[in-house]
Amino acid sequence: KAGVTQTPRYLIKTRGQQVTLSCSPISGHRSVSWYQQTPGQGLQFLFEYFSETQRNKGNFPGRFSGRQFSNSRSEMNVSTLELGDSALYLCASREPGTAGNTIYFGEGSWLTVV
Amino acid sequence: DQQVKQNSPSLSVQEGRISILNCDYTNSMFDYFLWYKKYPAEGPTFLISISSIKDKNEDGRFTVFLNKSAKHLSLHIVPSQPGDSAVYFCAASPMNRDDKIIFGKGTRLHILP
Repeated sequence: KAGVTQTPRYLIKTRGQQVTLSCSPISGHRSVSWYQQTPGQGLQFLFEYFSETQRNKGNFPGRFSGRQFSNSRSEMNVSTLELGDSALYLCASREPGTAGNTIYFGEGSWLTVV
Repeated sequence: DQQVKQNSPSLSVQEGRISILNCDYTNSMFDYFLWYKKYPAEGPTFLISISSIKDKNEDGRFTVFLNKSAKHLSLHIVPSQPGDSAVYFCAASPMNRDDKIIFGKGTRLHILP
C-alpha cells in the first residue's frame, strides 16, 4: 500500500505570492490533516478534512485554507505569503476508528518564503 | 492550553543505555496514545501506540507505559542506538474519533557514542 504522498517536496516563493500544496492519502483513508512545523514549534495543527468537509480547524489566519476532493486527495493553499510562513508543511491521513486511529504522515513540503 | 505536554525539549543518552521519554496529558477523554519519531526534513513516522485499556505495550526495543491515574505515559528505548537520535512526538487521540489528534511539542533525543 502506498504511503501518503505530498507534492512538491521543496519550493521557494516570494512574499505576497500564494502557494498550493497537494496531498494524496493512503488508499482507503478518508481523513486528511495538515500540520505546520517550524523550528522549536512542534507540529501546529492547521485543519482536517473528512469526506470533503472540514471537520477540525486550528488557530491559523484565514490566509491558510484547504479542500478535499471526492477521491480524498487534499490541497492546502496559503495566500499573501509572509516570511514567517516558511516551514515544513506535513499532510497526514487516517481512517478514523481503524488501526487505533493512527495517523500516517507524508514526507512534507518544504516552503521557503523570500 | 496544552493538552499533551512533553516537558523535556531534549535528552542525551549514552549508546547502549536506556532512553526514557516522558509525556503528560490533561484530558481524561483521551483513550489512545501514540509515539512518532521524526528525522530532520522528513515526515514523522509512527513508532508505537497504546490503548487506555492497557498499561504497557512492547515492540522490539520500544516499550510504552501508560499510567492513567497520573495521566502520564513514557517511551522506553532499550538499548539506545545511534539511529535513535531524532525528535520524538507524543500524541493523544480522543474517544470521539471525529476529534483531532493532539501532539506534544516533541523531545529531541541525542544518542552519544
